[in-house]
Amino acid sequence: ETGVTQTPRHLVMGMTNKKSLKCEQHLGHNAMYWYKQSAKKPLELMFVYNFKEQTENNSVPSRFSPECPNSSHLFLHLHTLQPEDSALYLCASSQGTGTGELAGELFFGEGSRLTVL
Amino acid sequence: SQQGEEDPQALSIQEGENATMNCSYKTSINNLQWYRQNSGRGLVHLILIRSNEREKHSGRLRVTLDTSKKSSSLLITASRAADTASYFCATAYNTGGFKTIFGAGTRLFVKA
Repeated sequence: ETGVTQTPRHLVMGMTNKKSLKCEQHLGHNAMYWYKQSAKKPLELMFVYNFKEQTENNSVPSRFSPECPNSSHLFLHLHTLQPEDSALYLCASSQGTGTGELAGELFFGEGSRLTVL
Repeated sequence: SQQGEEDPQALSIQEGENATMNCSYKTSINNLQWYRQNSGRGLVHLILIRSNEREKHSGRLRVTLDTSKKSSSLLITASRAADTASYFCATAYNTGGFKTIFGAGTRLFVKA
């Protein structure tokens, strides 16, 4: 148990469906992240939120829509996805995204395995 | 790309042997971190080394950092079958807020 919980762990959806991934952290961190992990590719940073504000959008297609209602919760809303979006989506949190001591350890959830048919 | 690149991509060793994985990166960093991932699971942080540090130890792990060569190495001593996993280096650099970028990882298989 890392203190970061992701649900669902597995999701299968059609290209016309709308679904959401949820992430919750119990660590009192201020920053939360979405990463995408596809087979044989490095982890891709998708979004960064710091104190509920989005500070990074790494050119992610608009069919992925993040939401961060508070520092403990992060959602990734999915709609009209493509089969190539099938991947493991990892949520992470950290103490912050600032300089010095805050640029530290990321705590990851177990991931949501997404399959788009 | 700011990614760290690990070398080798895959490594197979016998239990008890040492495993060495290398990471190279491209620009100045604030720190470099190593993570471990068991198949299909989340990543677990192993160790962080700051740009002004050259070597760090944690149990059977030893990490070195050479900022002049923009490279790092992770040494796992006396490996165990349970060390079988993928290992990733991650570089944190300042773009006005920090980004942590991961490499493609090294898949380590330790044979019992």
